[in-house]
Amino acid sequence: GQQVMQIPQYQHVQEGEDFTTYCNSSTTLSNIQWYKQRPGGHPVFLIQLVKSGEVKKQKRLTFQFGEAKKNSSLHITATQTTDVGTYFCAGMFSGGYNKLIFGAGTRLAVHP
Amino acid sequence: GAVVSQHPSWVICKSGTSVKIECRSLDFQATTMFWYRQFPKQSLMLMATSNEGSKATYEQGVEKDKFLINHASLTLSTLTVTSAHPEDSSFYICSENMGTEAFFGQGTRLTVV
Repeated sequence: GQQVMQIPQYQHVQEGEDFTTYCNSSTTLSNIQWYKQRPGGHPVFLIQLVKSGEVKKQKRLTFQFGEAKKNSSLHITATQTTDVGTYFCAGMFSGGYNKLIFGAGTRLAVHP
Repeated sequence: GAVVSQHPSWVICKSGTSVKIECRSLDFQATTMFWYRQFPKQSLMLMATSNEGSKATYEQGVEKDKFLINHASLTLSTLTVTSAHPEDSSFYICSENMGTEAFFGQGTRLTVV
């Protein structure tokens, strides 16, 4: 079936350190999306990557989509305590109703 | 972006009873809504795709008779957890797509006692 694998499951960093989470799909994706969920909240859309090899930046966040459109990464430079939360990637597969399949998520803890 | 209103935000029910969760699209006509379940500290698992005017499409392993989905209008989709048991306690969340971007409801935390 369609699966999206995401690692690591947890990441603890000191404030100011960098952070990266990785996603991998068994099959080619039409696009990949990234979401952030704070404890007790609902996922909030961060970005969508569509093109092969695409790289997008949002301030300290850098998102990449692999050439084969099967993997992606989110990199945060110089983490801040406000970056705390769980980051999910979600792959959209071609066909059907554009349903999203979520990765397991990476929970980020930032220690001041 | 789209605004999705989900109600209730939390509910406690007795084992054996049924609970209905509503998702309303406030500013967008959604022909399709997605229902997810999220157990504590886990990812969102897609349960079913709700299609306006037709039967929902359930993911493998999801019991359609237990999780009844109705999408009678373009602005309202409901999920009814029938004969709820403690193992059904979870965070249920709906979403709709505007284009390919998903917008989520606030989620419903269900506790079955």
